[in-house]
Amino acid sequence: GQNIDQPTEMTATEGAIVQINCTYQTSGFNGLFWYQQHAGEAPTFLSYNVLDGLEEKGRFSSFLSRSNGYSYLLLKELQMKDSASYLCAVMDSNYQLIWGAGTKLIIKP
Amino acid sequence: IAGITQAPTSQILAAGRRMTLRCTQDMRHNAMYWYRQDLGLGLRLIHYSNTAGTTGKGEVPDGYSVSRANTDDFPLTLASAVPSQTSVYFCASSERESTDTQYFGPGTRLTVL
Repeated sequence: GQNIDQPTEMTATEGAIVQINCTYQTSGFNGLFWYQQHAGEAPTFLSYNVLDGLEEKGRFSSFLSRSNGYSYLLLKELQMKDSASYLCAVMDSNYQLIWGAGTKLIIKP
Repeated sequence: IAGITQAPTSQILAAGRRMTLRCTQDMRHNAMYWYRQDLGLGLRLIHYSNTAGTTGKGEVPDGYSVSRANTDDFPLTLASAVPSQTSVYFCASSERESTDTQYFGPGTRLTVL
């Protein structure tokens, strides 16, 4: 079966750095997406990785290791507005997204 | 403002009733998707459409039907609602059915009693 695993909840302090991990087992791989979802709102796109390595976009970076079935999202200089759920999704061989349950990130002052 | 709209925002429905959730996008995207999101679970694909006139089944299609008469609209119909269909429903679209980013509508919160 196909499976995406990520921690259910994490807590971090404003101004700090946090790393959210995602491991996956899917039938085929056509890229990995990270989305942000604030409570009661729609998911919004953060990043896309298809090759191994680190992609940096402002305060957010995403890393991929295809051989290990592993990705992480790194958030730097945390702000209160970063409190949200972060969703990891893998595009399988049929070009369908398989989603993790999401990691709820709580930022404390 | 370009994007995806969904209607209604929320709905309470009696079991056995028929319900259509509406989704419209103005980005001229070819591909559209319907997902449901339940607490503790990832988004699950119900149905998709790669282009106007075609539709396909996702992971959890039973009890749902869709149509894609034109590029902009992709309604989701529950023929006879059951309590297990209580969920938040998101419509999404992407330029193509490949690795293009999917953009989501604001969602419909549906409660079936």
